[in-house]
Amino acid sequence: NAGVTQTPKFQVLKTGQSMTLQCAQDMNHNSMYWYRQDPGMGLRLIYYSASEGTTDKGEVPNGYNVSRLNKREFSLRLESAAPSQTSVYFCASSAGTNTEAFFGQGTRLTVV
Amino acid sequence: GEDVEQSLFLSVREGDSSVINCTYTDSSSTYLYWYKQEPGAGLQLLTYIFSNMDMKQDQRLTVLLNKKDKHLSLRIADTQTGDSAIYFCAERGQAGTALIFGKGTTLSVSS
Repeated sequence: NAGVTQTPKFQVLKTGQSMTLQCAQDMNHNSMYWYRQDPGMGLRLIYYSASEGTTDKGEVPNGYNVSRLNKREFSLRLESAAPSQTSVYFCASSAGTNTEAFFGQGTRLTVV
Repeated sequence: GEDVEQSLFLSVREGDSSVINCTYTDSSSTYLYWYKQEPGAGLQLLTYIFSNMDMKQDQRLTVLLNKKDKHLSLRIADTQTGDSAIYFCAERGQAGTALIFGKGTTLSVSS
């Protein structure tokens, strides 16, 4: 049972570079989420997808874009990375919008 | 707006009880959650409580909900060093959108 799988686990980018964080879930969940975790800030929602074909902004969407490629996959793209985007990124999924969320192991991103 | 507040640190001795407190703002939340994060790992669901319940017990864990005061607590009985982690309180955002997390309480257990 893989659950929620994120790739890569670690990444270092130079300012201005772009990259896509990948997330896939094998639980047939409808809803998927991207959070970032920063010291003293807890988890903040970047974007979410309540169901396949829909995406919505969360608390801190600036500088990011997302794609719900299909029911399994939800990717997060940084078009032009900035040092302020240095963080740990977590993908999560849930069966519905009122059920528990399952988290991936995180991607540690450093922008220099 | 929606907000979840927690104290940032708690330090206890092994064998004592730990109580982690949380306040939330969205009175329409139907479920409230406690997640645990160990160092370098993702978040794992520890327990949850439905909003029409006052208390839920699961082995060493007791969750108390005071809906009037919008206060949630997690009690860990007989705290062990393996319980050292960050504990997050979370509620569902409006219209059941996404989980809104508190900043997390770092629990440190000394032997």
